[in-house]
Amino acid sequence: DGGITQSPKYLFRKEGQNVTLSCEQNLNHDAMYWYRQDPGQGLRLIYYSQIVNDFQKGDIAEGYSVSREKKESFPLTVTSAQKNPTAFYLCASSMGTGTGEQYFGPGTRLTVT
Amino acid sequence: GESVGLHLPTLSVQEGDNSIINCAYSNSASDYFIWYKQESGKGPQFIIDIRSNMDKRQGQRVTVLLNKTVKHLSLQIAATQPGDSAVYFCAENNQAGTALIFGKGTTLSVSS
Repeated sequence: DGGITQSPKYLFRKEGQNVTLSCEQNLNHDAMYWYRQDPGQGLRLIYYSQIVNDFQKGDIAEGYSVSREKKESFPLTVTSAQKNPTAFYLCASSMGTGTGEQYFGPGTRLTVT
Repeated sequence: GESVGLHLPTLSVQEGDNSIINCAYSNSASDYFIWYKQESGKGPQFIIDIRSNMDKRQGQRVTVLLNKTVKHLSLQIAATQPGDSAVYFCAENNQAGTALIFGKGTTLSVSS
């Protein structure tokens, strides 16, 4: 059963702690993306990766870091430097970048107090 | 009924009516556009896409119209059903062609 998975669905952390969100895909897609969504807002691009061992900053990369050591995995770390980390985080993947459907995971809701 | 015009954050329709959701895009060089549906607490789901060499594309109960002259995109949903209630996002590819840029979304509410 092919798809893209994110875990956990809900995550709670104390302020000042780093936290890593998981994203895995078995669609054999080259490109992967991380978005942030705030209540009532659209999706804002944090980071994306077009190929293994390469990634680029999106529009709101400050306070976040990523790695792409394997084609299937693109974890996102929300660092303590991110001033307002509470949000809904969505991971996506696509065959290529830019033009083509992105497949989204179910999302992780992160709450930092 | 239908609602045509500039982007609206919310749209309320009766079951069985046709719905039109509008989107203005910014990059005149964009050559790919896509519509997603997002239900509460879930990830967005693909509805339909269109490339800039087309001005209309139809799917099952949905039609996307592209007007490049005024940089306007619309999604038409025929015979709207309660299950269509969700937030709808349009997206275009960025200038580098490496990622999608999403609009703010329109919340569609369907009452029976």
